[in-house]
Amino acid sequence: DAGVTQSPTHLIKTRGQQVTLRCSPKSGHDTVSWYQQALGQGPQFIFQYYEEEERQRGNFPDRFSGHQFPNYSSELNVNALLLGDSALYLCASSRIAGQGARETQYFGPGTRLLVL
Amino acid sequence: AQSVSQHNHHVILSEAASLELGCNYSYGGTVNLFWYVQYPGQHLQLLLKYFSGDPLVKGIKGFEAEFIKSKFSFNLRKPSVQWSDTAEYFCAASGGSYIPTFGRGTSLIVHP
Repeated sequence: DAGVTQSPTHLIKTRGQQVTLRCSPKSGHDTVSWYQQALGQGPQFIFQYYEEEERQRGNFPDRFSGHQFPNYSSELNVNALLLGDSALYLCASSRIAGQGARETQYFGPGTRLLVL
Repeated sequence: AQSVSQHNHHVILSEAASLELGCNYSYGGTVNLFWYVQYPGQHLQLLLKYFSGDPLVKGIKGFEAEFIKSKFSFNLRKPSVQWSDTAEYFCAASGGSYIPTFGRGTSLIVHP
């Protein structure tokens, strides 16, 4: 049973460029969430996708956008990259449990983005 | 605003010492609580979780945590640490959405 997978593992970009990160959820999961983890900090929630729509969003600018595909995989896009966007980007998947509740999130290994 | 505070940013212990990592949360309404661990070079893994019921929660690898509602705390404990417990530990809390808010993390180093 494959866990959450992410690609690429590492990425180097320059300021102003655009980047796309990819995530495949754990088997049986239908919901994908994205987090940004800066060095020395805990993960911060960016947004969550379910049924191919953004359902919840954290305090991140519109430069951060995403997409979910019919097979539940997801992409995170960041436009006009800033130096401060350098971080580990984590994807987490979960599924709906009883009465609409969502179960615990399971995290992928992350994509480390460096913006120069 | 929802927040999670971890009191200790860096903890250094010798093998066989006891461990307690503090975590306090600020959340309105029903709260779900988690401890995650990130071993060097590995991804974030769930150690244990509390949704309801018995406030003393047992997790993997001998870890446990106690939910004390009156103190808004969810401290992580282990009676005897091992060198392999060296890792970053994150406390997290969520409401009904199950989207966790994380603390800053505690870096634990265990000397053999």
